[in-house]
Amino acid sequence: DTGVSQDPRHKITKRGQNVTFRCDPISEHNRLYWYRQTLGQGPEFLTYFQNEAQLEKSRLLSDRFSAERPKGSFSTLEIQRTEQGDSAMYLCASSLVPLQETQYFGPGTRLLVL
Amino acid sequence: KNEVEQSPQNLTAQEGEFITINCSYSVGISALHWLQQHPGGGIVSLFMLSSGKKKHGRLIATINIQEKHSSLHITASHPRDSAVYICAVGSYNTDKLIFGTGTRLQVFP
Repeated sequence: DTGVSQDPRHKITKRGQNVTFRCDPISEHNRLYWYRQTLGQGPEFLTYFQNEAQLEKSRLLSDRFSAERPKGSFSTLEIQRTEQGDSAMYLCASSLVPLQETQYFGPGTRLLVL
Repeated sequence: KNEVEQSPQNLTAQEGEFITINCSYSVGISALHWLQQHPGGGIVSLFMLSSGKKKHGRLIATINIQEKHSSLHITASHPRDSAVYICAVGSYNTDKLIFGTGTRLQVFP
């Protein structure tokens, strides 16, 4: 257990439905990252926050995706109108800067869109 | 061409063998990370390094900044070392990670 939790761990949904995932980072960590990993591939960066500010979004993050970190603590990632191509593992990680510590990963949320 | 490339993609070994996994990258980095991912998805950070060499138990990681290359070594490999090992580089300023595709290691008794 790294101290980063994600909920739910698994989600099955039908195409067109909206889903929301939650990430609770290590409490003192000011940076929070979202990554997506498809089968057999390494994770890919989606977006990251420093405190409550969303500082960068990948081009992978279409307008159907939105992420928030309203109080600089937990974060949510919402996918609207899900598509089968959204099926993946969604990983959250947190770190403390400027100490340049390593990133601590949550267990991930595995999404299957039918 | 991927910004982070790992080799080999798959590796099998007998228990006790010395293992080497290689990582090359083509971008400027703030640090290089070696990560371990077990079936089920959980990722654990093994090393973060920006120069030289680090050792933790049976694991050794080295990096050559000039050559943009890193290696992860496992001495006296054990079946519990079976996992996917992922190399990732942290970009300047954001530290967002750019990942390799991973090396799947299976160690047989």
